Amino acid sequence: AQKVTQAQTEISVVEKEDVTLDCVYETRDTTYYLFWYKQPPSGELVFLIRRNSFDEQNEISGRYSWNFQKSTSSFNFTITASQVVDSAVYFCALSGINQGGKLIFGQGTELSVKP
Amino acid sequence: GAGVSQSPRYKVAKRGQDVALRCDPISGHVSLFWYQQALGQGPEFLTYFQNEAQLDKSGLPSDRFFAERPEGSVSTLKIQRTQQEDSAVYLCASSSGGTSGSYEQFFGPGTRLTVL
Repeated sequence: AQKVTQAQTEISVVEKEDVTLDCVYETRDTTYYLFWYKQPPSGELVFLIRRNSFDEQNEISGRYSWNFQKSTSSFNFTITASQVVDSAVYFCALSGINQGGKLIFGQGTELSVKP
Repeated sequence: GAGVSQSPRYKVAKRGQDVALRCDPISGHVSLFWYQQALGQGPEFLTYFQNEAQLDKSGLPSDRFFAERPEGSVSTLKIQRTQQEDSAVYLCASSSGGTSGSYEQFFGPGTRLTVL
């Protein structure tokens, strides 16, 4: 079975703090893909990143960085120097090569960045 | 814009009514997905089309839910005899790829369905 767990339901930080959103996954597929999506108050899911199971290199994009560790089945997301505009619900998602393309989402982490 | 569009954005239905939700995917995208998002939860898969073929409908919660994509473009999700538990946001997503799971899915703004 495939499963994604985001244990942090809500996180509140003050602007300019760094914050890490945790994601742990379970899958039996040997080839799989991990995603992070952002859902701002407007409701539309915005794609942030995709990693495949063969590529454990960490990735940095501006203030965003991702740490993928197969040994712990985790794909954590860090925002450096958070800003108020980062306030949103963030979802981690999993897709396995044998699952027909559908995404399995975690419960989401609601991030609130206060000025 | 050339993104995924959905209509209506909001729908209020009385229990027992039938509703139809429309999705216009990005032009040329072969794959189309429907998800259901309950309040405070992550989206949950309902069904998947590759062109006009419905390849997976394992997530449809009951036989009251029906989806179609007759010409491989626009899709409609129909819910018959709506129940209060059907209240949720219905999200449509499209992608350029097939069933490998490696392709980014682009999401529409969703239709918020409220059943009274």
